[in-house]
Amino acid sequence: DIQMTQSPASLSASLGETVTIECRASEDIYNGLAWYQQKPGKSPQLLIYNANSLHTGVPSRFSGSGSGTQYSLKINSLQSEDVASYFCQQYYDYPFTFGSGTKLEIK
Amino acid sequence: QVQLMESGPGLVQPSETLSLTCTVSGFSLTSYNVHWVRQPPGKGLEWMGVMWSGGSTDYNSALKSRLSISRDTSKNQVFLKMNSLQSEDTTTYYCARDRGWNYFDYWGQGVMVTVSS
Repeated sequence: DIQMTQSPASLSASLGETVTIECRASEDIYNGLAWYQQKPGKSPQLLIYNANSLHTGVPSRFSGSGSGTQYSLKINSLQSEDVASYFCQQYYDYPFTFGSGTKLEIK
Repeated sequence: QVQLMESGPGLVQPSETLSLTCTVSGFSLTSYNVHWVRQPPGKGLEWMGVMWSGGSTDYNSALKSRLSISRDTSKNQVFLKMNSLQSEDTTTYYCARDRGWNYFDYWGQGVMVTVSS
């Protein structure tokens, strides 16, 4: 199975700041990577697919980048509604696997 | 609009079988794939398996011996059955739609299942 190592596990930042969350795959996943946002008590919501494509309706302050085994999610101009957990998911190979998540809080 | 809704028992006895239903609307099961994903309380996500639009299935090898996914297209429903439940199967179960590339653009609200006597 492809292991997804996500960091940091938690993150505290101020409103308006830029934050970056990383995911490292145990092997090349050829941009088969998605990012999800999960607010407390809610189901995950798709943010980014194919490593860098913004899902419909997602604010442009979210962006994804990376290739090979290294990927990142950047959130510009942090807003209060961005408080959530964020997960990466590789869908290059079975079984599809997720990172362990990053919990984002506002300072 | 696209909706998925999971339903099933909130409590299951150890060693028994879990049966969950995902009822979908706003899209056809013969055009989109539906996956099952689970999430233990406060933890990460685990992909369980998929009902492909063509009617075949694939499973996470870690669960394959216990898991079965089926569907009834006339009722717009996808079913999950998992046997020999243990305490570690206490988790929230989600169904999610896949646009064809194995990432999930719509999710159900999830159903929490507790395995306990």
